[in-house]
Amino acid sequence: KAGVTQTPRYLIKTRGQQVTLSCSPISGHRSVSWYQQTPGQGLQFLFEYFSETQRNKGNFPGRFSGRQFSNSRSEMNVSTLELGDSALYLCASSRQSQASSYNEQFFGPGTRLTVL
Amino acid sequence: AQSVTQLGSHVSVSEGALVLLRCNYSSSVPPYLFWYVQYPNQGLQLLLKYTSAATLVKGINGFEAEFKKSETSFHLTKPSAHMSDAAEYFCAVRRATGANSKLTFGKGITLSVRP
Repeated sequence: KAGVTQTPRYLIKTRGQQVTLSCSPISGHRSVSWYQQTPGQGLQFLFEYFSETQRNKGNFPGRFSGRQFSNSRSEMNVSTLELGDSALYLCASSRQSQASSYNEQFFGPGTRLTVL
Repeated sequence: AQSVTQLGSHVSVSEGALVLLRCNYSSSVPPYLFWYVQYPNQGLQLLLKYTSAATLVKGINGFEAEFKKSETSFHLTKPSAHMSDAAEYFCAVRRATGANSKLTFGKGITLSVRP
C-alpha cells in the first residue's frame, strides 16, 4: 500500500510569491492534516480537512489556506511568502477525522520550502 | 488546551546504554499520548501510543513508554541503544475526541548514539 506522498519535495521561492503544495493520502484515508516544522517553533498544526471540509484550524494567518478534493488529495497554499515561512511542511492522513475516536496519522516525507 | 514539555533538546548515550527521553503533558481532559521518531529528510513515524488502555505501552524497535497520570508523564525508554536509534523524537498529545482534537507536539529531542 503506497504511503502518503507530497510534491514537490523541495521548493525555493522569493518573498512575495505564492506557493501551492500537494499531498496525496493513503488510499481509503479521508482526513488530511497539515503541519509546519521549523527549528524555532517545532511542529505546529496548520489545519485538517475531512471529506472536503476544513474541520480544524491552527493559529496561522489567513495567508495559509488549503483545500481537499473529492479523491481526498489536498493542497495547501501560502500567499505573499515571508522569510519566516521557510519550513518543512508535513502532511498526514488518517481514515477518520481527528475529532472522532483515535485513528493513527501517517505522515508524508514533507516539502522543504525555502523563501529567499 | 493541551501542551507537551520535552526537557532538553539533545540526549547522547553510548551504544548499549539505556535510553530515557522525558515527556510531560498538560491536558484538561483525558489525553491520548504518542511518541514519534523522525529520521533526517523523512516524515514522522509512530513509535507507540497510549489511548487509555494499558499504561505500559510497547512500541516498535524495542521502545516502550509508561503513562503516569499522577506525574503527568509519558517517558520513552529503550533498554539498549543501537546506532540506528539516532534520530529526533517527538512526544505529542491530543484530546481523545472532540471538535478541537489535534496533535500538539513537543519541541523534540535529538538522540545521539556514541559507538
